[in-house]
Amino acid sequence: DAKTTQPPSMDCAEGRAANLPCNHSTISGNEYVYWYRQIHSQGPQYIIHGLKNNETNEMASLIITEDRKSSTLILPHATLRDTAVYYCIVANNFNKFYFGSGTKLNVKP
Amino acid sequence: NAGVTQTPKFRVLKTGQSMTLLCAQDMNHEYMYWYRQDPGMGLRLIHYSVGEGTTAKGEVPDGYNVSRLKKQNFLLGLESAAPSQTSVYFCASSFGGNIQYFGAGTRLSVL
Repeated sequence: DAKTTQPPSMDCAEGRAANLPCNHSTISGNEYVYWYRQIHSQGPQYIIHGLKNNETNEMASLIITEDRKSSTLILPHATLRDTAVYYCIVANNFNKFYFGSGTKLNVKP
Repeated sequence: NAGVTQTPKFRVLKTGQSMTLLCAQDMNHEYMYWYRQDPGMGLRLIHYSVGEGTTAKGEVPDGYNVSRLKKQNFLLGLESAAPSQTSVYFCASSFGGNIQYFGAGTRLSVL
C-alpha cells in the first residue's frame, strides 16, 4: 500500500538546509507522520514524528500542512553525514509501517 | 547499553538448509519486529511480537517462523531456505509500538 509519495532523489549543498517533501493525501485523522533515515546499509534511524503540529528536535524539524496531506522534513544545516535514504511513513499502528522507497538525499561539498 | 543486537551479521546458505537469526534488545521493550529489505527497496515487515510469548504475521510472513520465548529475544527461523529469501534482515524493537530502534542487519545469501 503506497500511502506516501516522495521524490526518488534530491541534492543539497553542505551547510544548507535540506527540505524533503512527502505527500500523504489519504492520511487518516489518527495517523501520525514519521520520518526515518537509513545511512548506507545500516539499520534505519528514527528522526522525528508528528500528528498535526509542527515538531522540532535536535536532528530536524517537521512541518505538516494544515490539511495534513503533505509534510516537509527540514535538516537545517546539512552535513556530508546526512547523506542517506529518508523514509516518510504514515501510521497509527506499529504493524502498518510501510517504508516505501524513500528519498535518497545527496549532500555535496 | 548495546540497543538492538543481531546475530549473525553475514550468512551464506544452500537451498533447503535451515537457520535461525537472533535478535536481542536490552531496552526492556515490549514490541519487537523482523523486516527484510531487498536491493533498492524499502523494508517489509515479516513478523512482529507485542510481548513475551506472542507473535503475529506481518506483510510477508511466508517461509518464516518466529518465537519470543524471552522478552529480550526475538528469533527468526528459515526452515527450508530458498534463493528468494536472499535479503538483508533487520530486527527492531519499540516501547509503545511507534518509535522503533533497529539493529545493524543480517545479510543472508541463499545459493
